[in-house]
Amino acid sequence: DGGITQSPKYLFRKEGQNVTLSCEQNLNHDAMYWYRQDPGQGLRLIYYSQIVNDFQKGDIAEGYSVSREKKESFPLTVTSAQKNPTAFYLCASSIDGLAGEGDTQYFGPGTRLTVL
Amino acid sequence: QKEVEQNSGPLSVPEGAIASLNCTYSDRVSQSFFWYRQYSGKSPELIMSIYSNGDKEDGRFTAQLNKASQYVSLLIRDSQPSDSATYLCAVNEVTGGGNKLTFGTGTQLKVEL
Repeated sequence: DGGITQSPKYLFRKEGQNVTLSCEQNLNHDAMYWYRQDPGQGLRLIYYSQIVNDFQKGDIAEGYSVSREKKESFPLTVTSAQKNPTAFYLCASSIDGLAGEGDTQYFGPGTRLTVL
Repeated sequence: QKEVEQNSGPLSVPEGAIASLNCTYSDRVSQSFFWYRQYSGKSPELIMSIYSNGDKEDGRFTAQLNKASQYVSLLIRDSQPSDSATYLCAVNEVTGGGNKLTFGTGTQLKVEL
């Protein structure tokens, strides 16, 4: 089955700890994205990557870091600098991040992070 | 900051009726427009994409785009209780590092028996 996987589904973190969320896709997509969703809110872009070894900050990148060493993987690290990290984190991918069909993003199932 | 505006709802319609969801956007050069459906606690799933002015139909769903008015809508015919969800409008923004999508906050739809 082709798709996007995220792990873990639920994650609990103590204050002051860094945690890494996994995102893997086997769709052969070039572009990948990380979003954060808070209750009753839309999706806010954290980071995005159009190609391997390159990524761009989104609207709320502070307190987060990413890497894109492989085409199929785009892990997100939530650092202790992120003041309010409790949220639903969504990973997405698209063919190439260009106009038209290439813009169409498909989402993984998400990771729900709770800071204790 | 590009903006995408949606009425948060809830929008309540009786089963079998037409549900009309609306979205306006601020970026005049946007080229790609999407509707996603999100059930509570789940990730968004793509319903429709539209790239040119006019209507695009797929089953019970019709997307309508008017670039001059910067307006995109989604019509759901013969609404079913299973259509009850939050509908997210998304619009592309061209950047030097590849396109990205800006999402509205979503409209909650409730289809009542």
